[in-house]
Amino acid sequence: SQTIHQWPATLVQPVGSPLSLECTVEGTSNPNLYWYRQAAGRGLQLLFYSVGIGQISSEVPQNLSASRPQDRQFILSSKKLLLSDSGFYLCASGTNYEQYFGPGTRLTVT
Amino acid sequence: AQSVTQLDSQVPVFEEAPVELRCNYSSSVSVYLFWYVQYPNQGLQLLLKYLSGSTLVKGINGFEAEFNKSQTSFHLRKPSVHISDTAEYFCAVGRGGGNKLTFGTGTQLKVEL
Repeated sequence: SQTIHQWPATLVQPVGSPLSLECTVEGTSNPNLYWYRQAAGRGLQLLFYSVGIGQISSEVPQNLSASRPQDRQFILSSKKLLLSDSGFYLCASGTNYEQYFGPGTRLTVT
Repeated sequence: AQSVTQLDSQVPVFEEAPVELRCNYSSSVSVYLFWYVQYPNQGLQLLLKYLSGSTLVKGINGFEAEFNKSQTSFHLRKPSVHISDTAEYFCAVGRGGGNKLTFGTGTQLKVEL
């Protein structure tokens, strides 16, 4: 089965600072990869997904970007964080609609 | 476009009682439905899925769900809950290219003694 690694687990960053969250996948090859943001009481919002190396699709316009430099590596970035970027960020990997989730990163922008 | 509605934001229940968490979906194409569970400060874990075939789907931890096409529902049930089932539960529907999922807003299940 797949294992999804995310780091860091928690992060506190000031407004205007850069961001880099990393996700790596074990136990599969050529998966679809996903970045979600979870806000309290609002479920999961899909931010980006990727069907292959270098292929990134954005679901919502925002202050964030994503990259997939290797088959099983997915990175979420920002050049300048906003207060509204605070939340719980989840990386997922999957095929055929079945997705496996990482443990998440709790980001607080102060 | 596909969408999911979870009718209850919170469901309190006593230990060993049965529980049903409700989920209704809207989809104009073939339906793929999922239930996920999230424990505090953790990622989501797949409980069960419906892709095709039998409308009664059994998952992990004693949960099951029934796909009802006429009522566009996919309710999650467990005949006897345990304290350890306290968590947030998300219903999701598959959509579009890239095998994406649309999630509901979640139902917090709280099991009490």
